[in-house]
Amino acid sequence: GENVEQHPSTLSVQEGDSAVIKCTYSDSASNYFPWYKQELGKGPQLIIDIRSNVGEKKDQRIAVTLNKTAKHFSLHITETQPEDSAVYFCAASNKNTGRRALTFGSGTRLQVQP
Amino acid sequence: DTEVTQTPKHLVMGMTNKKSLKCEQHMGHRAMYWYKQKAKKPPELMFVYSYEKLSINESVPSRFSPECPNSSLLNLHLHALQPEDSALYLCASSQDGTGAGEQYFGPGTRLTVT
Repeated sequence: GENVEQHPSTLSVQEGDSAVIKCTYSDSASNYFPWYKQELGKGPQLIIDIRSNVGEKKDQRIAVTLNKTAKHFSLHITETQPEDSAVYFCAASNKNTGRRALTFGSGTRLQVQP
Repeated sequence: DTEVTQTPKHLVMGMTNKKSLKCEQHMGHRAMYWYKQKAKKPPELMFVYSYEKLSINESVPSRFSPECPNSSLLNLHLHALQPEDSALYLCASSQDGTGAGEQYFGPGTRLTVT
């Protein structure tokens, strides 16, 4: 089955700096890669996603890149703000065949220092 | 609107109690999910309902019993739980009835088993 590894487990940045979180996946058939933000006491919130026919996607200060050959994808947050502090999870799934459910990475705790 | 609601927010139950968790979405989504999340861990898939039929059961103990009365509602019936079942229980839904694609999570029910 699919296995998703996520690094780093914790990340501390100064307000205004950029943050990058990386994930690798094992199943070359995976074709959908969402990122979730989870604040304390809340459910995960879908913040951005990318499909395997696209290499990069941006939404304001966040972007996701996908390298299908290397089987890794990354979340980039620019101009970080204290409200970006949360746990971020990457995930992967295959919409077409097999399990068709999300496999999550282990999570990254991002702390933005004011 | 991407709202999934869950009740109750918090639940404390003894090991001999029977209780139910409820989840509701009015987005017309065709798949609904139950996840269990322990502290500092990613969500773990428990069950997937696709078009109101159980499509995935991740070998969950029978003390957890899911029910999908209609396309908008998902219940999780709990009976004879163990203290290690204490966790955040998350419901999610997706438009894609195949069990993959964008999933939207509710805020969760914090369950404590005493």
